[in-house]
Parts: sequence; structure tokens; C-alpha cells
Amino acid sequence: AQSVTQLDSHVSVSEGTPVLLRCNYSSSYSPSLFWYVQHPNKGLQLLLKYTSAATLVKGINGFEAEFKKSETSFHLTKPSAHMSDAAEYFCVVTSFGGFKTIFGAGTRLFVKA
Amino acid sequence: NAGVTQTPKFRVLKTGQSMTLLCAQDMNHEYMYWYRQDPGMGLRLIHYSVGEGTTAKGEVPDGYNVSRLKKQNFLLGLESAAPSQTSVYFCATRTTGGLDQPQHFGDGTRLSIL
Repeated sequence: AQSVTQLDSHVSVSEGTPVLLRCNYSSSYSPSLFWYVQHPNKGLQLLLKYTSAATLVKGINGFEAEFKKSETSFHLTKPSAHMSDAAEYFCVVTSFGGFKTIFGAGTRLFVKA
Repeated sequence: NAGVTQTPKFRVLKTGQSMTLLCAQDMNHEYMYWYRQDPGMGLRLIHYSVGEGTTAKGEVPDGYNVSRLKKQNFLLGLESAAPSQTSVYFCATRTTGGLDQPQHFGDGTRLSIL
């Protein structure tokens, strides 16, 4: 069975400092992994996805994530946080067959001025 | 290009009332999903559809019914609303193809059951 664990429910950073949002996954086969962002009162927007073509994936708004099979991790990073990055972030894995998607519980990112 | 549109955006119901949430998409996607989002629990799958005329149960289907009579629409029904169904409901769509195809989300319906 597939599962996703986001290791932090809340992360707080200062504007201009690096962001690290941690995600571990469990999968019995080579997974498809995604990061989505949700701003207040909005739906989820795709940030980036892992497709096995490259282990370092670049997404929108300066975010990137590195797939590490040995650590079963897919952590999301950004070199320099901006106030507009304050949102909730979800790590996601697609189940075998592709019909279902399993969401992590989410990490809320706070950015301090 | 509207993408995924959910109707209504907000609703307050009394316990025992019924209602239908509508999801409409203009992307010609085969797969459609209904989720509920509750604090600290991520998104949980209620029902999904892999094509017109098909539906299947997800993780938390009890108390909900769905229909997919037309490819572009996916309806979520609450026959007898309960306070435990107070939540934010999201519809999503996905095209067929590989596992790396992402889902596309609507902006949600905020539902309160009193």
C-alpha cells in the first residue's frame, strides 16, 4: 500500500531564508510524487511532480524537490522565502493504477517579515 | 477557460436536509474526484469516476452519493446532512495516461451543517 507522511504540520521561516518542507513516502513500486500548494480559500495548485526522468525536480515560483529512493523522501525546498509563499503544502503520491491519489496531512508554511 | 468549476461556493444546511454539489469541467478529462478537506487530515477521497456513467467509492463514501451522467459533470449528493459532514469539498479532474498526470482542482465548496 502507498502512504505519505509530512513530517511537520507547521513550518515558520523569515522572509529571505530557505524553506524546507519534508515528505516521506511508502510505495511498493516506483511512485509518482507531487507537491501542491493551497492558498487560503482556494483549490490546490500543482507546484511540481516527479516523473522518474530526473531526481531533482524544478517547479513553479522557485520551488524544487529531490527524490531520494534510498531515504524514501521527496522534500520540497526553496532558497529564499517570499511572503507570498505563505500557504499550505501537500505532498501526494498516486496509487497503483493511477485512479487514486493519496495526500499527506499538509504543512502550513508561515513567512515572517 | 474555466477549468474546474464548483457550485455553490458556500452553503449552510440544517441537519437532515439534502443538497447536491455540482462539479463541471471543460478540460475533457476522463477521471473526476470528490474530496473532503478537514483540518489536519489532508484531503480524503469520497467518490471518484473513471468515465461517463461510472462511479466508485473512495476512502470515506458513507452518507454521500454521486452521479456522472455526462462526462463534463460530476455530482455529489448528501441525502440527509449531518453535522459531521461540515467540511470543505473539492472536486478534481485528471486525464488518462501515466501515473504522473496531475489532478486539477476547483476552488471548493464550503459546507456547514447546523
